[in-house]
Amino acid sequence: LAKTTQPISMDSYEGQEVNITCSHNNIATNDYITWYQQFPSQGPRFIIQGYKTKVTNEVASLFIPADRKSSTLSLPRVSLSDTAVYYCLVGDADKIIFGKGTRLHILP
Amino acid sequence: NAGVTQTPKFRILKIGQSMTLQCTQDMNHNYMYWYRQDPGMGLKLIYYSVGAGITDKGEVPNGYNVSRSTTEDFPLRLELAAPSQTSVYFCASSWGQGGNTEAFFGQGTRLTVV
Repeated sequence: LAKTTQPISMDSYEGQEVNITCSHNNIATNDYITWYQQFPSQGPRFIIQGYKTKVTNEVASLFIPADRKSSTLSLPRVSLSDTAVYYCLVGDADKIIFGKGTRLHILP
Repeated sequence: NAGVTQTPKFRILKIGQSMTLQCTQDMNHNYMYWYRQDPGMGLKLIYYSVGAGITDKGEVPNGYNVSRSTTEDFPLRLELAAPSQTSVYFCASSWGQGGNTEAFFGQGTRLTVV
């Protein structure tokens, strides 16, 4: 059973910053938080991973509060090509368990 | 590096037929995974392996079998295909525990059982 909860879908406009929040109330001490992106007919692609505070790479930022019970993926200045499903995962030992993800739709 | 390679890309099976979905990775990853994804749904873990010779069931293992004789290869076997197994199958690999490391996915095998 997935250990995360995230919105089913979101709409935004090109050029906007998009924030997707994920809830993981039962996160364990050793768990990392990982986000994947999936385009139609493709396998998921790793976006970003973090343990606490803030992580930033060339694609996104990940904000994790001190209690680590939630996290927020931030996509700066989205474009139409960012339309995809975004999955939030927390460590599940040897397995990778996906939830339902957030379907992000970018409008022109 | 090719990463994770799956073959075939597409396949149509008749009910009751069997087939093997191939997955190979060239990154020397210990961990490998098989998923299925039904239309409009998330990925469901079928089987996973933490190293050569070791496999374990995931969320939806019924109707499938796996083996892991080498680090590189992790084939998925369907013995008696059923329409409920129509899906897109993804293979993935990671160097460490999947939940806490980056996983790399193949491009998928689209299987239709008729």
